[in-house]
Amino acid sequence: NAGVTQTPKFQVLKTGQSMTLQCAQDMNHEYMSWYRQDPGMGLRLIHYSVGAGITDQGEVPNGYNVSRSTTEDFPLRLLSAAPSQTSVYFCASSYSGQGSRYFGPGTRLTVT
Amino acid sequence: AQTVTQSQPEMSVQEAETVTLSCTYDTSESDYYLFWYKQPPSRQMILVIRQEAYKQQNATENRFSVNFQKAAKSFSLKISDSQLGDAAMYFCAYRSAPEKLVFGKGTKLTVNP
Repeated sequence: NAGVTQTPKFQVLKTGQSMTLQCAQDMNHEYMSWYRQDPGMGLRLIHYSVGAGITDQGEVPNGYNVSRSTTEDFPLRLLSAAPSQTSVYFCASSYSGQGSRYFGPGTRLTVT
Repeated sequence: AQTVTQSQPEMSVQEAETVTLSCTYDTSESDYYLFWYKQPPSRQMILVIRQEAYKQQNATENRFSVNFQKAAKSFSLKISDSQLGDAAMYFCAYRSAPEKLVFGKGTKLTVNP
């Protein structure tokens, strides 16, 4: 099992550009989520999904879109990047809501 | 809204000694889950230990154990026989809904040889 994979590992964007952060898991987990981590902060939930076709907003959803067309993939889209979106982004998955969450290695995004 | 507070931004411990990291949380729910995650410099988030609120027995994983005080809403992590590899950021987290984790701001643990 590869676990939870994220691409790219690093990305630099200019303000106003768009991009998609990729997340995939091969553990057949129903639950997937995206978090951002800023300096001096814990992780904050952006969006999450409890199954294919079902997504919902987390604590800091503005400026981000998600979709879940398959169980394996949960991409995060930045529509128009802003410097405030400079952060490290983590994707996570779990078999159930109570289960242990497996985190991907993170993507460091810088918006200039 | 649930909140998680880690009051110790930094802690240090001598190798082979024991250290306790504090965590308090605020909730009106009766059934929930609590977690401790470790984040080494590689930034990978690693689950250390998990506690179900309905279980009175404190969770233990090898050298890691928790002191769960439900009435006090306290969830501390004890690391015994500290090793150099334990040096990392430690995050306490509360599960507020099927896929919503609320994290504290973390405690940076330094292990001195």
